[in-house]
Amino acid sequence: SQTIHQWPATLVQPVGSPLSLECTVEGTSNPNLYWYRQAAGRGLQLLFYSVGIGQISSEVPQNLSASRPQDRQFILSSKKLLLSDSGFYLCACTPISLNEKLFFGSGTQLSVL
Amino acid sequence: KQEVTQIPAALSVPEGENLVLNCSFTDSAIYNLQWFRQDPGKGLTSLLLIQSSQREQTSGRLNASLDKSSGRSTLYIAASQPGDSATYLCAFFGNEKLTFGTGTRLTIIP
Repeated sequence: SQTIHQWPATLVQPVGSPLSLECTVEGTSNPNLYWYRQAAGRGLQLLFYSVGIGQISSEVPQNLSASRPQDRQFILSSKKLLLSDSGFYLCACTPISLNEKLFFGSGTQLSVL
Repeated sequence: KQEVTQIPAALSVPEGENLVLNCSFTDSAIYNLQWFRQDPGKGLTSLLLIQSSQREQTSGRLNASLDKSSGRSTLYIAASQPGDSATYLCAFFGNEKLTFGTGTRLTIIP
């Protein structure tokens, strides 16, 4: 079964600093990959998803970007963080078959101060 | 655009009771439905997955149903235990992505 590695678990960054969150997947090939954000007291918001290497779809226009340099690696980045970027960031994947469940990483709690 | 609603936002019940969590959606063109559990500060764990052609799935004390015609899904938890305390989220898969509800925070009182 799939295993998703996500790091760091917590991160405190000043406003205007850059961001790089990394997610790697084991146990499957050519998965669909997702970045979600969960703000305090709110539901999960889909930020980006990728169906293959170099293929990124953005759901919400903002100062974040995503990249997929390898089949099982998904990176979330920002050049300059905003206060509103604070939240709980989750990486997720589904195997290529749509009949499978969505698996989540353990998340990164980002606080922008 | 798919919209997913979960009511109530929070629920507290005594241990041992059976309970039902509700989820409603606006677009019936879904591929599958999943129910997730999230413990505080943790990622999500998938509990049950129902394909759009199915009506329900069961796992242990959990039973999830899907009624596309009414735009509803329910998660039934039998004989609730304190360990069931968590936030439960439903999500619908369509157009290569999941749309999540805002969740129901469940507290089981010992």
